[in-house]
Formats: sequence, structure tokens, C-alpha cells
Amino acid sequence: QKEVEQDPGPLSVPEGAIVSLNCTYSNSAFQYFMWYRQYSRKGPELLMYTYSSGNKEDGRFTAQVDKSSKYISLFIRDSQPSDSATYLCAMGREYGNKLVFGAGTILRVKS
Amino acid sequence: DGGITQSPKYLFRKEGQNVTLSCEQNLNHDAMYWYRQDPGQGLRLIYYSQIVNDFQKGDIAEGYSVSREKKESFPLTVTSAQKNPTAFYLCASSKVPGGTEAFFGQGTRLTVV
Repeated sequence: QKEVEQDPGPLSVPEGAIVSLNCTYSNSAFQYFMWYRQYSRKGPELLMYTYSSGNKEDGRFTAQVDKSSKYISLFIRDSQPSDSATYLCAMGREYGNKLVFGAGTILRVKS
Repeated sequence: DGGITQSPKYLFRKEGQNVTLSCEQNLNHDAMYWYRQDPGQGLRLIYYSQIVNDFQKGDIAEGYSVSREKKESFPLTVTSAQKNPTAFYLCASSKVPGGTEAFFGQGTRLTVV
């Protein structure tokens, strides 16, 4: 079993839809949770960073962490064609030495 | 502007040759990482370094080597021992190892011809 599981998609939605992207994990030691957006042939860029459980909002993006269920989510409101990309979740431990990444979910927003 | 610079963007290698990928950061980050990305497999960790003159193997280190002589630089050499080197290589850095967000370069696409 992988430490981090993420559905590869692709997920296709119409413009303006609310998108929900998710990751599950098995290691309860993870304390830091991140979402990255990666456009084709580019490096990943950091979208959201959350420590421990709870919600964090930034514009159209909301990150949720449920440590009791070992489940994290990224919601995108009013999705735009420019949101079409691969979204990667990543996790780290307190005093850990590396991040663990999900495989990434391909999102396609159709205009 | 602060960031991570990878070069070259595209690299072609003949079988049996060693090649070195460059990664430079001006973020004053302690930790640096090399990942390999293949379609459908996400990011796999090759090597990481938490401090100058020290580095550790990641999950797929065989056929690769690194050095960390300066805080700003973490070059990756893909040796002829790497059986399937064609991939997209990403360098990243973080302020401290593991516990904070990592920032990525724009990647190097290596193709063996």
C-alpha cells in the first residue's frame, strides 16, 4: 500500500463547477499538507500549505485536512479553463526529512 | 527574484554517457531534493540533502549521483548505470528538511537517443 493515494483522473468538469480533489494517507505522523498545481512540462507550484487539521482558504481555493480520517481535500470554486492542470498532494512529518507525494490528479475544465 | 533554476530545459544523451543536470537556488534554503517524474507515477525521490556536504539516497537512487559543495547548488549526474533515464527531472528546495513547503524548479526533460 502506498503511503499516499490519489486518484489519477482525469476529472472533467464544466467551467464554473466546484471541483473536489482528494488524497488519503496511511502514516499518522504526517503533520504538514500541501497542494501543488503542475501545468504540462512545467515544475509544480505551491497552491496551499496547511499544518495539522482544519481548513484554509485562499481565493477560490480551500484546503481541508481531516487527520482522524487521514483524508485531505482541495476545493476549487468557480473553476476556470486555466485551472486545467495536474494537482499533486504532498505531506511531511514533524522533523521529517522528506515530503511524500501523491501521483497527481489530472483536471480538465471545459469552457 | 528568488527561485530555483534548472538547466538545461531539454537534454539529449547517448546511451552509455553520463550527463549532469544543474540546480541552483537563491532562496537560502537548507534542504534540496531531486525528483524524477514519469507519466502516471507522480514524483519519486532520487536524492536529498539537508545540509552542505551531506546527502542521502531517496527511493530510486541507483544509477544517479549528487554533490552538495555549496548551499546554493545541488547537481545531479545521471550515469550510464541508470537503465531507463528518459524522464522529467525536478529539483526542489525547502527552508528546513521535510517539515515545510518545497519549491520547485521548472524541470529538465532528459531523453536518451
